[in-house]
Amino acid sequence: DAKTTQPNSMESNEEEPVHLPCNHSTISGTDYIHWYRQLPSQGPEYVIHGLTSNVNNRMASLAIAEDRKSSTLILHRATLRDAAVYYCILRDGPYQAGTALIFGKGTTLSVSS
Amino acid sequence: EPEVTQTPSHQVTQMGQEVILRCVPISNHLYFYWYRQILGQKVEFLVSFYNNEISEKSEIFDDQFSVERPDGSNFTLKIRSTKLEDSAMYFCASSGDRPGSYTFGSGTRLTVV
Repeated sequence: DAKTTQPNSMESNEEEPVHLPCNHSTISGTDYIHWYRQLPSQGPEYVIHGLTSNVNNRMASLAIAEDRKSSTLILHRATLRDAAVYYCILRDGPYQAGTALIFGKGTTLSVSS
Repeated sequence: EPEVTQTPSHQVTQMGQEVILRCVPISNHLYFYWYRQILGQKVEFLVSFYNNEISEKSEIFDDQFSVERPDGSNFTLKIRSTKLEDSAMYFCASSGDRPGSYTFGSGTRLTVV
């Protein structure tokens, strides 16, 4: 899997938007960008994924740079429950079902009230 | 929403003892995984399993570890002779054929004393 770089930590206030960056300058044309998060004392959970176009779902938005060398996970209105470690992971596609997700250190997001 | 279920949530064992961690993956998923997370460290891949055999494993997954799908619903991780350094949170995960279907359980906290 291609390498990603994320800031170690970020802080946000409740009700404000949060932009979590991820650099992946060695991304290949078939790598999908996945975001997972891990709430305290829980297993990782899927957030969103994309290939080239920006994506939205009920949890977040994913903005992908035109050259695909970076992406940004956007939480539109942070809540206390969004405090977690956020992981940006690349996986080769077309989607290789069954291949393992490899986690880095991720970004620890703190949310203050 | 379908869940991956892990039991027990916490297990304490003496060094040298065998332990079996149990998981019930999502029923229509075909790929199964075990990960571990030592306290304060990142989530580490151990093994993936498909069609009743190991498809990938990491360096961590040595001869002390084994996996099995004994019936149509359970997926187990066995550690034959536990060491103190096996103390960690163990996560089971399963996935289907589409991106975003990777689902983790809440984990089993294994404490070796």
